[in-house]
Amino acid sequence: DGGITQSPKYLFRKEGQNVTLSCEQNLNHDAMYWYRQDPGQGLRLIYYSQIVNDFQKGDIAEGYSVSREKKESFPLTVTSAQKNPTAFYLCASRAKGSGRNIQYFGAGTRLSVL
Amino acid sequence: GQQLNQSPQSMFIQEGEDVSMNCTSSSIFNTWLWYKQDPGEGPVLLIALYKAGELTSNGRLTAQFGITRKDSFLNISASIPSDVGIYFCAGSTGTASKLTFGTGTRLQVTL
Repeated sequence: DGGITQSPKYLFRKEGQNVTLSCEQNLNHDAMYWYRQDPGQGLRLIYYSQIVNDFQKGDIAEGYSVSREKKESFPLTVTSAQKNPTAFYLCASRAKGSGRNIQYFGAGTRLSVL
Repeated sequence: GQQLNQSPQSMFIQEGEDVSMNCTSSSIFNTWLWYKQDPGEGPVLLIALYKAGELTSNGRLTAQFGITRKDSFLNISASIPSDVGIYFCAGSTGTASKLTFGTGTRLQVTL
Protein backbone atom coordinates (compact mmCIF):
# COMPACT_ATOMS: atom_id res chain seq x y z
CA ASP A 1 0.00 0.00 0.00
CA GLY A 2 1.55 3.31 -1.08
CA GLY A 3 1.28 6.25 1.23
CA ILE A 4 2.75 8.60 3.77
CA THR A 5 3.39 7.38 7.30
CA GLN A 6 3.78 9.79 10.18
CA SER A 7 4.86 8.66 13.63
CA PRO A 8 4.15 8.85 16.42
CA LYS A 9 0.44 9.77 16.34
CA TYR A 10 0.78 11.54 19.72
CA LEU A 11 3.92 13.06 21.21
CA PHE A 12 4.63 14.87 24.43
CA ARG A 13 7.48 17.28 24.93
CA LYS A 14 9.01 18.44 28.17
CA GLU A 15 10.22 21.99 28.46
CA GLY A 16 13.68 22.45 26.97
CA GLN A 17 13.55 19.18 25.09
CA ASN A 18 14.00 18.60 21.36
CA VAL A 19 11.63 16.11 19.77
CA THR A 20 11.66 14.58 16.30
CA LEU A 21 8.61 13.74 14.21
CA SER A 22 8.98 11.07 11.58
CA CYS A 23 7.61 11.18 8.02
CA GLU A 24 8.18 8.34 5.55
CA GLN A 25 6.69 7.96 2.06
CA ASN A 26 6.80 5.06 -0.39
CA LEU A 27 5.20 6.97 -3.27
CA ASN A 28 8.57 7.75 -4.89
CA HIS A 29 7.73 11.44 -4.61
CA ASP A 30 10.54 13.96 -4.92
CA ALA A 31 9.09 16.81 -2.89
CA MET A 32 8.10 16.67 0.78
CA TYR A 33 6.54 19.26 3.10
CA TRP A 34 5.89 19.93 6.78
CA TYR A 35 2.88 21.96 7.95
CA ARG A 36 1.67 23.14 11.31
CA GLN A 37 -2.06 23.34 12.06
CA ASP A 38 -3.45 25.18 15.07
CA PRO A 39 -7.08 24.79 16.20
CA GLY A 40 -9.50 26.53 13.87
CA GLN A 41 -6.75 27.57 11.49
CA GLY A 42 -5.44 26.53 8.14
CA LEU A 43 -2.12 24.90 7.32
CA ARG A 44 1.07 26.88 7.65
CA LEU A 45 4.24 25.75 5.88
CA ILE A 46 7.26 25.06 8.10
CA TYR A 47 9.84 23.55 5.72
CA TYR A 48 9.86 21.86 2.34
CA SER A 49 12.30 19.84 0.28
CA GLN A 50 12.24 19.33 -3.46
CA ILE A 51 15.22 17.01 -3.67
CA VAL A 52 17.46 14.93 -1.43
CA ASN A 53 20.00 16.95 0.58
CA ASP A 54 18.19 20.22 -0.08
CA PHE A 55 15.39 22.01 1.78
CA GLN A 56 13.92 25.50 2.11
CA LYS A 57 12.29 27.43 4.93
CA GLY A 58 8.57 27.98 4.79
CA ASP A 59 6.59 30.71 6.48
CA ILE A 60 7.15 29.64 10.09
CA ALA A 61 10.55 27.86 10.19
CA GLU A 62 11.85 29.43 13.41
CA GLY A 63 12.31 26.84 16.15
CA TYR A 64 12.23 23.90 13.74
CA SER A 65 14.85 21.96 11.78
CA VAL A 66 14.71 19.27 9.10
CA SER A 67 16.94 16.93 7.14
CA ARG A 68 16.51 15.11 3.84
CA GLU A 69 19.15 12.40 3.63
CA LYS A 70 16.90 9.92 1.82
CA LYS A 71 14.20 10.46 -0.77
CA GLU A 72 11.58 8.64 1.28
CA SER A 73 12.24 10.33 4.64
CA PHE A 74 11.83 13.94 5.87
CA PRO A 75 12.03 14.14 9.69
CA LEU A 76 11.10 17.33 11.53
CA THR A 77 12.76 18.33 14.80
CA VAL A 78 10.91 20.69 17.08
CA THR A 79 13.66 22.37 19.06
CA SER A 80 13.56 23.95 22.50
CA ALA A 81 13.64 27.31 20.72
CA GLN A 82 10.04 26.76 19.61
CA LYS A 83 8.20 28.28 22.54
CA ASN A 84 4.70 27.30 21.51
CA PRO A 85 5.02 23.83 19.95
CA THR A 86 1.58 22.48 20.82
CA ALA A 87 -0.11 21.84 17.46
CA PHE A 88 -1.05 19.22 14.89
CA TYR A 89 1.81 18.56 12.47
CA LEU A 90 1.18 17.32 8.96
CA CYS A 91 3.64 15.91 6.44
CA ALA A 92 2.90 15.88 2.71
CA SER A 93 4.58 14.79 -0.49
CA ARG A 94 4.24 15.58 -4.18
CA ALA A 95 5.39 14.01 -7.41
CA LYS A 96 7.45 16.50 -9.40
CA GLY A 97 7.23 16.86 -13.14
CA SER A 98 3.65 15.73 -13.47
CA GLY A 99 2.39 19.28 -13.96
CA ARG A 100 -0.18 18.55 -11.30
CA ASN A 101 0.73 20.29 -8.06
CA ILE A 102 -1.14 17.88 -5.79
CA GLN A 103 0.14 17.20 -2.30
CA TYR A 104 -0.80 14.04 -0.45
CA PHE A 105 -0.89 14.07 3.32
CA GLY A 106 -0.05 11.75 6.18
CA ALA A 107 -2.38 11.24 9.14
CA GLY A 108 -0.56 13.77 11.33
CA THR A 109 1.22 13.93 14.68
CA ARG A 110 -0.31 15.78 17.61
CA LEU A 111 2.37 17.37 19.78
CA SER A 112 1.63 18.55 23.28
CA VAL A 113 3.78 20.14 25.95
CA LEU A 114 3.93 18.56 29.41
CA GLY B 1 2.58 33.91 4.31
CA GLN B 2 -0.68 34.44 2.49
CA GLN B 3 -3.78 32.44 3.37
CA LEU B 4 -6.79 32.29 1.14
CA ASN B 5 -10.13 33.58 2.36
CA GLN B 6 -12.73 30.86 2.70
CA SER B 7 -16.37 31.41 3.50
CA PRO B 8 -18.33 30.59 5.41
CA GLN B 9 -16.02 29.78 8.33
CA SER B 10 -18.52 27.24 9.64
CA MET B 11 -21.98 26.05 8.87
CA PHE B 12 -24.67 23.87 10.37
CA ILE B 13 -26.96 22.23 7.88
CA GLN B 14 -29.71 19.67 7.90
CA GLU B 15 -29.11 16.27 6.37
CA GLY B 16 -30.23 16.35 2.75
CA GLU B 17 -29.49 20.03 2.19
CA ASP B 18 -27.11 21.36 -0.43
CA VAL B 19 -23.97 23.19 0.67
CA SER B 20 -21.94 25.90 -1.03
CA MET B 21 -18.60 27.34 -0.01
CA ASN B 22 -16.05 29.50 -1.74
CA CYS B 23 -12.45 30.55 -1.66
CA THR B 24 -10.96 33.84 -2.84
CA SER B 25 -7.43 35.03 -3.42
CA SER B 26 -5.70 38.30 -4.21
CA SER B 27 -3.38 36.37 -6.54
CA ILE B 28 -4.02 34.43 -9.72
CA PHE B 29 -3.64 30.67 -9.48
CA ASN B 30 -3.21 28.00 -12.14
CA THR B 31 -4.37 25.16 -9.92
CA TRP B 32 -7.14 24.97 -7.35
CA LEU B 33 -7.52 22.00 -5.03
CA TRP B 34 -10.20 21.08 -2.52
CA TYR B 35 -9.39 18.87 0.47
CA LYS B 36 -11.49 17.45 3.30
CA GLN B 37 -10.06 16.84 6.77
CA ASP B 38 -11.71 14.58 9.32
CA PRO B 39 -10.99 15.21 13.01
CA GLY B 40 -7.49 14.09 13.96
CA GLU B 41 -6.59 13.06 10.42
CA GLY B 42 -4.71 14.50 7.47
CA PRO B 43 -6.48 16.27 4.58
CA VAL B 44 -7.69 14.09 1.72
CA LEU B 45 -7.92 15.41 -1.83
CA LEU B 46 -11.48 15.74 -3.15
CA ILE B 47 -11.19 17.61 -6.44
CA ALA B 48 -8.40 19.17 -8.52
CA LEU B 49 -9.00 22.00 -11.03
CA TYR B 50 -6.52 23.16 -13.67
CA LYS B 51 -8.33 25.48 -16.06
CA ALA B 52 -10.27 28.73 -15.64
CA GLY B 53 -14.00 28.05 -15.88
CA GLU B 54 -13.53 24.31 -15.35
CA LEU B 55 -16.35 22.50 -13.58
CA THR B 56 -15.48 19.09 -12.10
CA SER B 57 -17.59 16.62 -10.15
CA ASN B 58 -16.75 13.82 -7.75
CA GLY B 59 -19.95 12.07 -6.71
CA ARG B 60 -22.10 14.59 -4.83
CA LEU B 61 -19.31 17.17 -4.91
CA THR B 62 -18.87 19.75 -7.66
CA ALA B 63 -16.12 22.35 -7.80
CA GLN B 64 -15.47 25.22 -10.17
CA PHE B 65 -12.33 27.14 -11.10
CA GLY B 66 -13.36 30.79 -11.25
CA ILE B 67 -13.06 32.70 -14.52
CA THR B 68 -10.87 35.37 -12.92
CA ARG B 69 -8.53 32.59 -11.63
CA LYS B 70 -8.74 34.25 -8.22
CA ASP B 71 -11.53 32.15 -6.80
CA SER B 72 -13.03 28.69 -6.60
CA PHE B 73 -16.29 27.19 -5.40
CA LEU B 74 -17.29 23.85 -3.90
CA ASN B 75 -20.84 22.53 -3.76
CA ILE B 76 -22.05 19.44 -1.92
CA SER B 77 -25.47 18.14 -2.85
CA ALA B 78 -27.80 16.20 -0.55
CA SER B 79 -25.49 16.30 2.46
CA ILE B 80 -25.13 13.25 4.71
CA PRO B 81 -23.65 12.85 8.21
CA SER B 82 -20.26 11.66 6.90
CA ASP B 83 -19.81 15.01 5.14
CA VAL B 84 -18.91 16.46 8.55
CA GLY B 85 -15.37 17.82 8.62
CA ILE B 86 -13.27 20.76 7.58
CA TYR B 87 -13.00 21.63 3.90
CA PHE B 88 -9.88 23.42 2.70
CA CYS B 89 -9.16 25.06 -0.59
CA ALA B 90 -5.60 25.37 -1.84
CA GLY B 91 -4.08 27.15 -4.81
CA SER B 92 -0.79 27.21 -6.62
CA THR B 93 0.83 28.91 -9.58
CA GLY B 94 2.24 26.89 -12.41
CA THR B 95 5.86 27.20 -11.41
CA ALA B 96 5.51 27.10 -7.65
CA SER B 97 6.02 23.94 -5.66
CA LYS B 98 4.12 25.36 -2.72
CA LEU B 99 0.41 25.42 -2.04
CA THR B 100 -1.41 28.31 -0.39
CA PHE B 101 -4.22 27.06 1.84
CA GLY B 102 -7.53 28.56 2.80
CA THR B 103 -8.60 29.04 6.39
CA GLY B 104 -11.13 26.19 6.14
CA THR B 105 -14.90 25.77 6.29
CA ARG B 106 -16.16 23.61 9.14
CA LEU B 107 -19.25 21.66 8.13
CA GLN B 108 -21.57 20.15 10.71
CA VAL B 109 -24.66 18.23 9.74
CA THR B 110 -27.72 17.86 11.94
CA LEU B 111 -30.02 14.91 11.46
